[in-house]
Amino acid sequence: SQQGEEDPQALSIQEGENATMNCSYKTSINNLQWYRQNSGRGLVHLILIRSNEREKHSGRLRVTLDTSKKSSSLLITASRAADTASYFCATDGTGNQFYFGTGTSLTVIP
Amino acid sequence: DAGVIQSPRHEVTEMGQEVTLRCKPISGHDYLFWYRQTMMRGLELLIYFNNNVPIDDSGMPEDRFSAKMPNASFSTLKIQPSEPRDSAVYFCASSPPGGVGYTFGSGTRLTVV
Repeated sequence: SQQGEEDPQALSIQEGENATMNCSYKTSINNLQWYRQNSGRGLVHLILIRSNEREKHSGRLRVTLDTSKKSSSLLITASRAADTASYFCATDGTGNQFYFGTGTSLTVIP
Repeated sequence: DAGVIQSPRHEVTEMGQEVTLRCKPISGHDYLFWYRQTMMRGLELLIYFNNNVPIDDSGMPEDRFSAKMPNASFSTLKIQPSEPRDSAVYFCASSPPGGVGYTFGSGTRLTVV
């Protein structure tokens, strides 16, 4: 399968703590993206990292990519209750399509 | 732009009935994707279009599923006949040329009873 797999499946932290989610994939990629999904809503694009990049930042988000290990991580610093959502990684296929992982459910406790 | 617009938001239908889901992508986006989300299987890519042409439909589960994109501003996903196992949330997404950074619609929650 081209789908990535996120780890852990569920994560619960206190507000203000950092949250780290990991994504592993099986085939070579050109791009990897992270998305957030709030309950009952569509997915929202957070950040894209290309295969020749190792780290990328966007606000409180930090994404790393290790192509030798076929893995990526998403770090959310100083978490807020509003960060409660499911987070998905998506890896590209041979065309322009992306395949989504199974997601990490993050709960931030106020 | 109002984003990707899907209709209906919710659909409840009886087994055997035809179901049509609709999607209006963001103007200027030349890629359109249909995904299905279930607890068991996660997000599955069903089909995607580029410039209104279907590129990859290998994710369409059965011949009961069909998708069309008659023009750049409209796409449909049809299930005929519907079955209870088709119950899921169906998402449409579009992306611009260069194809990164999907914008998703709010989804259609389909329940087949």
